[in-house]
Amino acid sequence: DTGVSQNPRHKITKRGQNVTFRCDPISEHNRLYWYRQTLGQGPEFLTYFQNEAQLEKSRLLSDRFSAERPKGSFSTLEIQRTEQGDSAMYLCASSRGQVSEAFFGQGTRLTVV
Amino acid sequence: SQQGEEDPQALSIQEGENATMNCSYKTSINNLQWYRQNSGRGLVHLILIRSNEREKHSGRLRVTLDTSKKSSSLLITASRAADTASYFCATAITGNQFYFGTGTSLTVIP
Repeated sequence: DTGVSQNPRHKITKRGQNVTFRCDPISEHNRLYWYRQTLGQGPEFLTYFQNEAQLEKSRLLSDRFSAERPKGSFSTLEIQRTEQGDSAMYLCASSRGQVSEAFFGQGTRLTVV
Repeated sequence: SQQGEEDPQALSIQEGENATMNCSYKTSINNLQWYRQNSGRGLVHLILIRSNEREKHSGRLRVTLDTSKKSSSLLITASRAADTASYFCATAITGNQFYFGTGTSLTVIP
């Protein structure tokens, strides 16, 4: 499968624990995006990378959130000290360039209990 | 705040009918994309229309863009039960991020 791959698909964690999600973009895509989606809402932008550089971060991305894309390939999104409000679907997307289609992975559904 | 707003929020039609959903946005864009999302799943890219384009077709899909009105429409012709999903428009302003609306929930009744 050459699409965007996200792992894990589901994660249940206790409040206060740290979690990390992984995204493997389409191999020739230099742009990678993270979005968060809650029930009944559209995806909300969190951050984006061009190659290994994190070029933009949303104000939604509190200091408990950190994203990396070492070597410009896969990316990780870590949430520290999770809160119940972090429960959502976390979506990763990649694109070839500025005006290209963005392709999304299946998402990681996080439930904080 | 989200850039795009889809209208209507929910739409229910009979199989075989056409479905039209609209998207309005607030600022000038580079391009606009339409996505489909089945319940609890990821987003599937449907079509991209650039700011200098007015209409685009892909199979049973027709997308229009009116930059003077800051609006776009997605027409699905000859709908099928499998078209039941939520549909989102996403606008790219600088190209660095995509802003999504809250979506239109389409139900196609067999």
